[in-house]
Amino acid sequence: GQQVMQIPQYQHVQEGEDFTTYCNSSTTLSNIQWYKQRPGGHPVFLIQLVKSGEVKKQKRLTFQFGEAKKNSSLHITATQTTDVGTYFCAGGPYNFNKFYFGSGTKLNVKP
Amino acid sequence: DSGVTQTPKHLITATGQRVTLRCSPRSGDLSVYWYQQSLDQGLQFLIQYYNGEERAKGNILERFSAQQFPDLHSELNLSSLELGDSALYFCASSTPEGRWQETQYFGPGTRLLVL
Repeated sequence: GQQVMQIPQYQHVQEGEDFTTYCNSSTTLSNIQWYKQRPGGHPVFLIQLVKSGEVKKQKRLTFQFGEAKKNSSLHITATQTTDVGTYFCAGGPYNFNKFYFGSGTKLNVKP
Repeated sequence: DSGVTQTPKHLITATGQRVTLRCSPRSGDLSVYWYQQSLDQGLQFLIQYYNGEERAKGNILERFSAQQFPDLHSELNLSSLELGDSALYFCASSTPEGRWQETQYFGPGTRLLVL
């Protein structure tokens, strides 16, 4: 079954509003990666988190890895129309033989 | 441009047919991953090859097979195609060690339509 769950499935926001997507795993992850897929495009790597409790920022994007390494979040401050797309988290357990993508959160930003 | 190339871009075929999708990884990458993405769905991992050898297997059907050649390009073969196989197929490659912790660089995908 699906090892990495992601919510919400869809999010519609007004430009300037904040957005958060959450990723949860039933097992401890060795790392978590985040990807963005623009409409009609392919997934593009955004960032990787490895340490428990790690927080990384990329301009308006803030990524967090939970203390137990079972959850992660991506927060976008003051969304812009260029943020439109589907955001995927991906991670695997320590045995390295499995890697799971979350189902993705599709973000729509209204100008 | 990720440096990963996939051909063809689009493929239309009929049920029961067989097709081959091709992927060339980024220069220097030894690992190739195949994913299936159905309409508005997430990414389903199919299979990974590392330097010519199968390294990990996901939800790949028995009708599907893949291989990686000495020049590191990979092919995904889909046979006895069904309507439900219509999807976007992505190939990705990663830096030399081929471990899951590495960044995966995705190709533009092949859109397969089975009629």
